[in-house]
Amino acid sequence: KAGVTQTPRYLIKTRGQQVTLSCSPISGHRSVSWYQQTPGQGLQFLFEYFSETQRNKGNFPGRFSGRQFSNSRSEMNVSTLELGDSALYLCASSLTGTPWEQYFGPGTRLTVT
Amino acid sequence: QKEVEQNSGPLSVPEGAIASLNCTYSDRGSQSFFWYRQYSGKSPELIMSIYSNGDKEDGRFTAQLNKASQYVSLLIRDSQPSDSATYLCAVTLTGNQFYFGTGTSLTVIP
Repeated sequence: KAGVTQTPRYLIKTRGQQVTLSCSPISGHRSVSWYQQTPGQGLQFLFEYFSETQRNKGNFPGRFSGRQFSNSRSEMNVSTLELGDSALYLCASSLTGTPWEQYFGPGTRLTVT
Repeated sequence: QKEVEQNSGPLSVPEGAIASLNCTYSDRGSQSFFWYRQYSGKSPELIMSIYSNGDKEDGRFTAQLNKASQYVSLLIRDSQPSDSATYLCAVTLTGNQFYFGTGTSLTVIP
């Protein structure tokens, strides 16, 4: 069974721009979660989607948003990029979400200059 | 107090020894606990999940959960150099918020 895929793998953006990241979960998984990983803060939970609905949200500003499509694929959008948004963005999928045995994709490395 | 806390390490053990990794959490209502392994430059990989008090064994790995004391640990027996990685503890808090600790770096010395 194919794993979680994320595209693109690397991105370089300029401050003020916006970016959209994509995640395709493992086949049959309906829950998709997004995380930001930085050396200083570790893995931080952004939000979780289940059946096209945002079910949980972490403590990130409204510039971070997401959505999920009927095939469970998910996108994450960051508007008005800031230098501090440079990070590895990880997507994880699970069957139903709770309990959360999540499987991670390879991540998208975002660099904001 | 952070929701999930781990010693950042680094923890060094000789090959063949037992590595012990610990994690504490703040929310008494937490129900689900996970250990992930992350190699440098890679994404986290699920190793173990545990939901009930006591021990759960899977090969060389044993997860231990004590809800009364609010800690969860991971023991790695017969440690191998390939076990060298950062180990992340994750906890599902009340309200289904999912939190990771900052990880413990483990080095197994041949």
